[in-house]
Amino acid sequence: GQQLNQSPQSMFIQEGEDVSMNCTSSSIFNTWLWYKQDPGEGPVLLIALYKAGELTSNGRLTAQFGITRKDSFLNISASIPSDVGIYFCAGQLDSNYQLIWGAGTKLIIKP
Amino acid sequence: EAGVTQSPTHLIKTRGQQVTLRCSPISGHTSVYWYQQALGLGLQFLLWYDEGEERNRGNFPPRFSGRQFPNYSSELNVNALELEDSALYLCASSLTRSPLHFGNGTRLTVT
Repeated sequence: GQQLNQSPQSMFIQEGEDVSMNCTSSSIFNTWLWYKQDPGEGPVLLIALYKAGELTSNGRLTAQFGITRKDSFLNISASIPSDVGIYFCAGQLDSNYQLIWGAGTKLIIKP
Repeated sequence: EAGVTQSPTHLIKTRGQQVTLRCSPISGHTSVYWYQQALGLGLQFLLWYDEGEERNRGNFPPRFSGRQFPNYSSELNVNALELEDSALYLCASSLTRSPLHFGNGTRLTVT
């Protein structure tokens, strides 16, 4: 079946650092979604991307829909403690609108 | 606007028992999705309901079933519980082909 490769699996960062994570696939998607999940809660939508090449920001977060439609990245600038959590990407297939999920990137802030 | 609500928030059952989880979507949303998230792992797609019909099903055994009611709320039923069914069960709702909005889940523990 279709797979999304999300990397890195986890990141230890210092407060104030910039963060970058990405998702790649062998399938073409018509939508890329980025979610964040805090412990004990459901994922919350951060950014939705609908066009190849699209670059969208949400505060300190920036995400891009790759030109090939097979990848996307999420950047977080000047990380703060509340950025801790698990970030998931999801791609929506062009053919049947099924959502394919990445395995998540766990963001941990070094004390 | 109220978000997706799920009940109960926590549940403890014994192996072999049956359980019903409930989900109320965001007002106006016609699609409801169910996901299973085992501890520390990603999201596994269970079921998708739209306009009262089951539209898609993930790779889960038939003892996982559900339904969607005329008011678009939904139930997930799991029969003959097994220890590995212990997980966070997430419900999400959406307008057709729009990003999913998640509830905070039901934490099921099977002993």
